[in-house]
Amino acid sequence: KAGVTQTPRYLIKTRGQQVTLSCSPISGHRSVSWYQQTPGQGLQFLFEYFSETQRNKGNFPGRFSGRQFSNSRSEMNVSTLELGDSALYLCASSFSPAGSSYNEQFFGPGTRLTVL
Amino acid sequence: AQSVTQPDIHITVSEGASLELRCNYSYGATPYLFWYVQSPGQGLQLLLKYFSGDTLVQGIKGFEAEFKRSQSSFNLRKPSVHWSDAAEYFCAVLFTGGGNKLTFGTGTQLKVEL
Repeated sequence: KAGVTQTPRYLIKTRGQQVTLSCSPISGHRSVSWYQQTPGQGLQFLFEYFSETQRNKGNFPGRFSGRQFSNSRSEMNVSTLELGDSALYLCASSFSPAGSSYNEQFFGPGTRLTVL
Repeated sequence: AQSVTQPDIHITVSEGASLELRCNYSYGATPYLFWYVQSPGQGLQLLLKYFSGDTLVQGIKGFEAEFKRSQSSFNLRKPSVHWSDAAEYFCAVLFTGGGNKLTFGTGTQLKVEL
């Protein structure tokens, strides 16, 4: 079974631009969560999608948005990029949105975004 | 406020020595607890998890962790460290009602001396 895939793996943008990152979950998984990882703030939850609906949201500005498609693939978008948006963006997939002992989250390798 | 603390930012151990990484959480109830490992350039891999029951849980790669309710701790242990265990380790917590939202500690960077 293929794991979580994220594209692209690396991305370089300039301030003010916007970017779209993609995440394909494990087959059969319908929940996708996004996390931002930076040296200063660590790993922070961005949002979670299940059945094309945002189920949970972290404390990030509205410049960060996401969506999920009917095939469970998810994209996140960051508009008006700032230098501080440089980070590793991780996607995790799971079978359902409910935390339980049977609902392990599997992480992808991440997309490394550099904002110049 | 709900939080997770990993007091040790860096730990260095000799290969073959035992290892204990500390994790404490702040929460009014018992959350779901996890340890993840991240190698350079990689995503996160789940080592083990605690939901309920036996407070000593076994994971992959020879790791184990013990949940201590009285200390709000979930420390990760390994009896004998291998050079390949060098990585960053994250304790994470799933608080009740939070869906799949994981709250992570700041991580502990493990260095293994040969």
